[in-house]
Amino acid sequence: SQQGEEDPQALSIQEGENATMNCSYKTSINNLQWYRQNSGRGLVHLILIRSNEREKHSGRLRVTLDTSKKSSSLLITASRAADTASYFCATDYSNSGYALNFGKGTSLLVTP
Amino acid sequence: SAVISQKPSRDICQRGTSLTIQCQVDSQVTMMFWYRQQPGQSLTLIATANQGSEATYESGFVIDKFPISRPNLTFSTLTVSNMSPEDSSIYLCSVGLSSETQYFGPGTRLLVL
Repeated sequence: SQQGEEDPQALSIQEGENATMNCSYKTSINNLQWYRQNSGRGLVHLILIRSNEREKHSGRLRVTLDTSKKSSSLLITASRAADTASYFCATDYSNSGYALNFGKGTSLLVTP
Repeated sequence: SAVISQKPSRDICQRGTSLTIQCQVDSQVTMMFWYRQQPGQSLTLIATANQGSEATYESGFVIDKFPISRPNLTFSTLTVSNMSPEDSSIYLCSVGLSSETQYFGPGTRLLVL
């Protein structure tokens, strides 16, 4: 079943602005990952944060994890039009080895 | 890393027919998965494709509707059987190289009329 819930469902910003997306989950996790999907195509792995980590950076991406609140956030700084995509959080799936449980996603539109 | 290809990339099918989707990986992998993404929705795990044994299906998915083959460590197929318009989705395969890294294929976009 779907575990993650992202908000907002849709976000529209201008180039140069920051975009923040949030994700909540229900059960304990080993790690949480963020993926990007362009126009209904395959998913691209962005960043992984382990349950014992609180913050992680990768380029213009910053991810936080609060296991007490069962929530995570993805911040994209200085956004570009090329960042326009859907963003999903995913947690490890308890009964299926490495399979992932995806949230509903946030659709980000960055306008020039 | 892993490079994954899927065939076909898209198809339009008539209801009642079946479509087999292929997933090819450029290296041997133990864990391979099939997901479905319905229009405007997130991804839902269909099953884990096990090499040498039957696939492990998630709740709501059955082998008769979504038979899966996994003849070796680089290849798998998913068949969508007796299709209806509700099966219109993107079907994606993925591989897990570790508990922390998954790579996804480009997806197969299916439209059932």
